[in-house]
Amino acid sequence: DTAVSQTPKYLVTQMGNDKSIKCEQNLGHDTMYWYKQDSKKFLKIMFSYNNKELIINETVPNRFSPKSPDKAHLNLHINSLELGDSAVYFCASSSRQEGYTEAFFGQGTRLTVV
Amino acid sequence: DQQVKQNSPSLSVQEGRISILNCDYTNSMFDYFLWYKKYPAEGPTFLISISSIKDKNEDGRFTVFLNKSAKHLSLHIVPSQPGDSAVYFCAASGIQGAQKLVFGQGTRLTINP
Repeated sequence: DTAVSQTPKYLVTQMGNDKSIKCEQNLGHDTMYWYKQDSKKFLKIMFSYNNKELIINETVPNRFSPKSPDKAHLNLHINSLELGDSAVYFCASSSRQEGYTEAFFGQGTRLTVV
Repeated sequence: DQQVKQNSPSLSVQEGRISILNCDYTNSMFDYFLWYKKYPAEGPTFLISISSIKDKNEDGRFTVFLNKSAKHLSLHIVPSQPGDSAVYFCAASGIQGAQKLVFGQGTRLTINP
């Protein structure tokens, strides 16, 4: 009964590969996000989707492409992986109807590019 | 341009005492503030929040204080328990609400028995 779940939890891959991280929420929320926690532990927003529509797109290389097939899912596809992409990626969700009072986070995906 | 700062990377407190975690922000457009708690290998978990129209919000052992003029907020945990040992993140948002959270870099709290 996990509220926000993302897979895989760990991902090790070589430079130049393409990989995807999946996220699903069962909270009935209408907004989903991807956050990145870098080596300095800063958590920064990458993307926000509301009802499958892209709302926020921070300065993220276009090798990163989010895809929202429905409002319960937000996947992150990364092309041509680079060493600097190594980080922990968190999916999150919140509700516009509840005034975006808080965001619920998944457990994170630790991506290591070698 | 770090807009939310937690200047103490770590804090160690005796069990039963009060833990005080601090957070400063620079953007005066922020009007909603949150604290998240994070255990290793898990995602951040929402703890408590406060709107800029208030200066205090309390939930059980957790109280958040907001000083808008100083652009400062603090989280008080009393009494501190061993299970409170975690990394605590302060976050802030503006008119977009929690739709765009700006996080501090976190403070690792260790509660000693």
